[in-house]
Amino acid sequence: DGGITQSPKYLFRKEGQNVTLSCEQNLNHDAMYWYRQDPGQGLRLIYYSQIVNDFQKGDIAEGYSVSREKKESFPLTVTSAQKNPTAFYLCASSGRQNYEQYFGPGTRLTVT
Amino acid sequence: QKEVEQDPGPLSVPEGAIVSLNCTYSNSAFQYFMWYRQYSRKGPELLMYTYSSGNKEDGRFTAQVDKSSKYISLFIRDSQPSDSATYLCAMSGRQTGANNLFFGTGTRLTVIP
Repeated sequence: DGGITQSPKYLFRKEGQNVTLSCEQNLNHDAMYWYRQDPGQGLRLIYYSQIVNDFQKGDIAEGYSVSREKKESFPLTVTSAQKNPTAFYLCASSGRQNYEQYFGPGTRLTVT
Repeated sequence: QKEVEQDPGPLSVPEGAIVSLNCTYSNSAFQYFMWYRQYSRKGPELLMYTYSSGNKEDGRFTAQVDKSSKYISLFIRDSQPSDSATYLCAMSGRQTGANNLFFGTGTRLTVIP
């Protein structure tokens, strides 16, 4: 079964702690993306990566960090510098020069 | 002005109705148009993908693009309660780059049995 997996589904953290969200794909896609979804605001791009060991900031990268050591994996770290980290986080991937993106099931992060 | 505008709804229709969901956009460079369906607390699922203008049909779903009006639509025929979800439009183009997908904010649809 090809697809994108994100774990965990729900994550709870205390303010001031860094947290890492997992994203794995077995679609053999080159590009991977992280989005944040808040009610009424649609999807906002945090980071994206077109190839291994390379990634670019999206519209709202402040307070986040990523790595792309393997083609299949693109973990996102939400750092303590992110002022409003509570949100639904979505990982997506796409093939080389393909415009359509495929999404994972999401991780709901709650920081208190 | 946002790149992509989408009426957030909510939209409620009786089962069996024809549903029309719409987005308008401002960037004439957009050539690739997508519709996603997102159930509550789930990731978006790609429903339809079209290139440039015209219609594309897949079962009960028809995607329509009118580039001259910068307007795209998704029609759902014989709507079912299982169609109740939020529908997101998304678009991009060669000039804006494959990695830049511009999303609408989504329209929440409820189909009442």
